[in-house]
Amino acid sequence: AQSVTQLDSQVPVFEEAPVELRCNYSSSVSVYLFWYVQYPNQGLQLLLKYLSGSTLVKGINGFEAEFNKSQTSFHLRKPSVHISDTAEYFCAVSPYNRDDKIIFGKGTRLHILP
Amino acid sequence: EPEVTQTPSHQVTQMGQEVILRCVPISNHLYFYWYRQILGQKVEFLVSFYNNEISEKSEIFDDQFSVERPDGSNFTLKIRSTKLEDSAMYFCASSEARRQVFTNYGYTFGSGTRLTVV
Repeated sequence: AQSVTQLDSQVPVFEEAPVELRCNYSSSVSVYLFWYVQYPNQGLQLLLKYLSGSTLVKGINGFEAEFNKSQTSFHLRKPSVHISDTAEYFCAVSPYNRDDKIIFGKGTRLHILP
Repeated sequence: EPEVTQTPSHQVTQMGQEVILRCVPISNHLYFYWYRQILGQKVEFLVSFYNNEISEKSEIFDDQFSVERPDGSNFTLKIRSTKLEDSAMYFCASSEARRQVFTNYGYTFGSGTRLTVV
């Protein structure tokens, strides 16, 4: 079985400051890793994904995430946030053998302060 | 950009009533899903649907739930007799391929229907 932990339910950050949203997972099998974002009044959309290869993956809107197998983490980062980054961010995993199944974390709400 | 449309955005219903949540997936997608998120909890898988039948369902998806694709464009989730604990945000999603690795954008989710059972 797989599980995803996002320890921070809310993260306030000043505009133009860097941000890191934390994600840890547990799984008895290898997994693919994802970050989804939900902007206000919109659906979830894929921000980035790690399938294999380089552990640093870049996504849309200047976000990147680093896969750390030993720490079972997949933290999301952005060097300078903008007011338009206000959204809820969901970390998710899918097992290699069943990647039609997505297991989500609880989400982290990112508040950008002016 | 194609999107998944869900209606209504918010529905309030009395306990014991039937409710139908509607979704219009992206037209060339073949795989369809319902997920839900109870307030403060994780987004949970409910059911997947392909070729006019359920591919997989979670233990949450009991006999009170059903899905159908009545006319080739809509994809509906019906809850026969709602309970207070069914209050949640329900997300519909569709995909061009069963496996996410074969898609460019992962699943495409709708903006959700917030169901409140009173």
